[in-house]
Amino acid sequence: AQKITQTQPGMFVQEKEAVTLDCTYDTSDPSYGLFWYKQPSSGEMIFLIYQGSYDQQNATEGRYSLNFQKARKSANLVISASQLGDSAMYFCAMREGEDSTLTFGKGTMLLVSP
Amino acid sequence: ETGVTQTPRHLVMGMTNKKSLKCEQHLGHNAMYWYKQSAKKPLELMFVYNFKEQTENNSVPSRFSPECPNSSHLFLHLHTLQPEDSALYLCASSQPPSSGSYNEQFFGPGTRLTVL
Repeated sequence: AQKITQTQPGMFVQEKEAVTLDCTYDTSDPSYGLFWYKQPSSGEMIFLIYQGSYDQQNATEGRYSLNFQKARKSANLVISASQLGDSAMYFCAMREGEDSTLTFGKGTMLLVSP
Repeated sequence: ETGVTQTPRHLVMGMTNKKSLKCEQHLGHNAMYWYKQSAKKPLELMFVYNFKEQTENNSVPSRFSPECPNSSHLFLHLHTLQPEDSALYLCASSQPPSSGSYNEQFFGPGTRLTVL
């Protein structure tokens, strides 16, 4: 079974609107962390936001927020007030336990139109 | 220079060539990683180094040979590659586990490799 599933290959959104990128995960470890990264066409992976499995509140970082639903094993990324510069690939990733390695999903391509 | 740097940014090589990819991090991290990103596939972890020791080799063919001379530098030596090895090779670094932070990985810009 896939550990990280991103079901949306591509998403379109108009500038200034909010968009939700889906991510579901699968783990039996009670301690884990969920990450979202942005990859523009330049190739570099940019860390956006982190949610720990024991965190009581949903993580927020500026225009990014994470809709963490533990029982459903989902960690959707919400981008508010989309900007043209948000057009990129977005990857969800998970770290389990004390392991430093990350497992990545296949990514979602987000295109923001004027 | 700050962050994680990778050189070269682009590389074209023949199947009989030997080349090396270089990664350098200026973040004081002690863990470094090599990933392969092929089209339409998730990032594939290749190697992990913690405090200069290789702690993970994700069943990578021997034509890829990593080297970590110190905590700031990581190399990927390439020889007799195949066309299917063409991909974006990303280097990352992080603090080791249990350091009290998110342990998020910071990535370099990658090397776009084409094997002819």
